[in-house]
Amino acid sequence: DAGITQSPRHKVTETGTPVTLRCHQTENHRYMYWYRQDPGHGLRLIHYSYGVKDTDKGEVSDGYSVSRSKTEDFLLTLESATSSQTSVYFCAISGDGAPLEKLFFGSGTQLSVL
Amino acid sequence: AQSVTQPDIHITVSEGASLELRCNYSYGATPYLFWYVQSPGQGLQLLLKYFSGDTLVQGIKGFEAEFKRSQSSFNLRKPSVHWSDAAEYFCAVGVNTGFQKLVFGTGTRLLVSP
Repeated sequence: DAGITQSPRHKVTETGTPVTLRCHQTENHRYMYWYRQDPGHGLRLIHYSYGVKDTDKGEVSDGYSVSRSKTEDFLLTLESATSSQTSVYFCAISGDGAPLEKLFFGSGTQLSVL
Repeated sequence: AQSVTQPDIHITVSEGASLELRCNYSYGATPYLFWYVQSPGQGLQLLLKYFSGDTLVQGIKGFEAEFKRSQSSFNLRKPSVHWSDAAEYFCAVGVNTGFQKLVFGTGTRLLVSP
């Protein structure tokens, strides 16, 4: 299995508080992604990164920011959490070449915003 | 816009019976197509993928899928379902909008009855 660690695995927070989720990889892969999973929506791309300090928005990026200061870590920040951001968040990584050929997912972070 | 439709939210199949999960996609270019499986509380695991060539692709765990360009479909099949196949299944299309990323369907939950 690809070395992907998401932390925390579970978090409960209150509306209006900042939250940071971490994705850590040991594969030295170039590409990293953050998805959210919600019933009836499948997985939707929030942000992605194609290298250190190179990030871009996905389809549901409002209310989220990301940072990648080193290859192995991709951080997702909710500046002021809202109840609509209650979801399961998945990080994914892929290497050079064809990024979609070998996309590996982490185990997810369950976030509840009360 | 690119999209993936999985028309069945839930499917129940008896153990030992055959299975077909439907997937239709909308994408202007030649599609890269994927099926992922998610067991409860887990991340996503790649079952199989189609990039080009033979339109019938074999995957892990005895699954196969057939790409039909004329129908814009990529249905997943298994001849004999096992209780351990109970999970959620996601179809996805790889799109290239300057960066390669996956667009997922909403998923089909498979229940296996004894």
